[in-house]
Amino acid sequence: QSVLTQPPSASGTPGQRVTISCSGSSSNIGSQTVNWFQQLPGTAPKLLIYASNQRPSGVPARFSGSKSGTSASLAISGLQSEDEADYYCAAWDARLNAWVFGGGTKLTVL
Amino acid sequence: QVQLQQSGPGLVKPSQTLSVTCAISGDSVSSNSAAWNWIRQSPSRGLEWLGRTYYRSNWYTDYAVSVKSRITINPDTSKNQFSLQLNSVTPEDTAVYYCARDQSGYSFDSWGQGNLVTVSS
Repeated sequence: QSVLTQPPSASGTPGQRVTISCSGSSSNIGSQTVNWFQQLPGTAPKLLIYASNQRPSGVPARFSGSKSGTSASLAISGLQSEDEADYYCAAWDARLNAWVFGGGTKLTVL
Repeated sequence: QVQLQQSGPGLVKPSQTLSVTCAISGDSVSSNSAAWNWIRQSPSRGLEWLGRTYYRSNWYTDYAVSVKSRITINPDTSKNQFSLQLNSVTPEDTAVYYCARDQSGYSFDSWGQGNLVTVSS
């Protein structure tokens, strides 16, 4: 079982706004920043959001992140077909002294 | 732009040692602001961080508890690369293995292409 908890699936239609949640504990999300990754089939994960709400250069502004307490969320607005992918959250866990990941959310664009 | 190029065998026999190397271009394994990580992914375990090595005036390594007794991550400054060795493998170690850079404050911003390693006799 993953240390961080994500819903296994999410869906939306083109143009919609969808959110993906990530739940943790005081030793990870509660005290550390959260990072989000997008993984297309057959490729390595790609950094989407770092430091809970920062976008690397080249990532569209449609992607945004937030954190509150021991939970975090990834929001995708103006959903596009190319956003269909697996999304993972990750954070450093100060108790485990290790990086921990969520189990991933498969986003389907209907 | 940082590029990570992985190499290693795709098939390892049970009880043997899995070895994968990650060659770095566009950065240095001795960087004072980066850590060099190994992460694996399998359908049963999802994304799993295995460990990291980094240089901060001295070399340091951190390993995941789940593999701590079997893992070694070594930097090679002469070739600007780092390696993963996982001993006494079982079929449960079958996974895609990734190397990744953790640039301070930016998390895993660069990834290798991934190596599928199958443990089977």
